[in-house]
Amino acid sequence: KAGVTQTPRYLIKTRGQQVTLSCSPISGHRSVSWYQQTPGQGLQFLFEYFSETQRNKGNFPGRFSGRQFSNSRSEMNVSTLELGDSALYLCASSWDSGGYTFGSGTRLTVV
Amino acid sequence: GIQVEQSPPDLILQEGANSTLRCNFSDSVNNLQWFHQNPWGQLINLFYIPSGTKQNGRLSATTVATERYSLLYISSSQTTDSGVYFCAVSTNAGKSTFGDGTTLTVKP
Repeated sequence: KAGVTQTPRYLIKTRGQQVTLSCSPISGHRSVSWYQQTPGQGLQFLFEYFSETQRNKGNFPGRFSGRQFSNSRSEMNVSTLELGDSALYLCASSWDSGGYTFGSGTRLTVV
Repeated sequence: GIQVEQSPPDLILQEGANSTLRCNFSDSVNNLQWFHQNPWGQLINLFYIPSGTKQNGRLSATTVATERYSLLYISSSQTTDSGVYFCAVSTNAGKSTFGDGTTLTVKP
């Protein structure tokens, strides 16, 4: 079966712009989580959606937001991009918080 | 929040050697997973192991939940085992806390 699909794989944006990343979970998985990975901070939890509802949220500013659609696909949005937002953004899906499967990630560069 | 500590931070081995990676966590957990991050950044799930022992080929893992630690064993290491190994735990549905990882280098 298909894995977790994240698009796009690479993205270059300018400071002040906004960006939307997409994640399609494994078919049947209802939980989708987002993580940010940077060399300095490691892997940090952004938020988790379950059946279209945000169930958990990490310690990120309000510029970071997300949503989940009825087909479980999820998007995350970052507004007013800063240089420090440059990172690998990873999405993971699970049937219900059991083992998580990660996508290949979106590498965002802010210039 | 929960703290996750992985050791050692770096490990260099010759091909064929065995290794043990450790993950300590500061509170009771519902879930624990081990991942291998490949050079392209993808996290590959190795084990989902909130307790007990599992084996998959040359890899095995043991979690002693009552003592709050987990071990990942790699036997007969190969150069393709190189990369970063992460332990991730969760006490709350949907929110995992990752350790800082162990960077493994296997030399031919």
